[in-house]
Amino acid sequence: GDSVTQMEGPVTLSEEAFLTINCTYTATGYPSLFWYVQYPGEGLQLLLKATKADDKGSNKGFEATYRKETTSFHLEKGSVQVSDSAVYFCALSGYGGYNKLIFGAGTRLAVHP
Amino acid sequence: NAGVTQTPKFRVLKTGQSMTLLCAQDMNHEYMYWYRQDPGMGLRLIHYSVGEGTTAKGEVPDGYNVSRLKKQNFLLGLESAAPSQTSVYFCASSPGKGPSGETQYFGPGTRLLVL
Repeated sequence: GDSVTQMEGPVTLSEEAFLTINCTYTATGYPSLFWYVQYPGEGLQLLLKATKADDKGSNKGFEATYRKETTSFHLEKGSVQVSDSAVYFCALSGYGGYNKLIFGAGTRLAVHP
Repeated sequence: NAGVTQTPKFRVLKTGQSMTLLCAQDMNHEYMYWYRQDPGMGLRLIHYSVGEGTTAKGEVPDGYNVSRLKKQNFLLGLESAAPSQTSVYFCASSPGKGPSGETQYFGPGTRLLVL
């Protein structure tokens, strides 16, 4: 079945460091891909998405490119801030329709001043 | 706009007790979902609904029931709680159609502890 694999955390960085969180997927068909972020004590919120191969999603300095050939959707940011500390989830939809999402396990990011 | 709200925020149950979690959205979304979040496992879909009066099973439906009598509300019931149902429960909704139809909007979560 469809699945999402994310790099294990936690990821600990200093402020202004470069961030990469790896995400790979297995899917039948052509799913949309998402990154959701969960700040402490809150629900998830959409960070960015891409709906077809070679699309780049971007938001708040974060970027991810839908790579069909490597089945990947890695999240990157050039310079992280303390306020970026959160748990990041990679997800795909399209499985069985109705916009159902399959999530990766999540990667916790801690950014220190 | 309140978005997606969940009631209660936290609950402790004893094994065998029942309870209902309430989810409400004020965005007129067609689709609604219930997930559970467990450490190291991400979120897993319990049940979902694609419109008023409809429900369907997700990935982990056993031990749960749902109802969507009104478009804005989606209820999750535990008839006989078990310790394995200790988790954080998230409700979400999505428009279903249109350019942002796939985007899901999440509530703040309900933390449930079953003793």
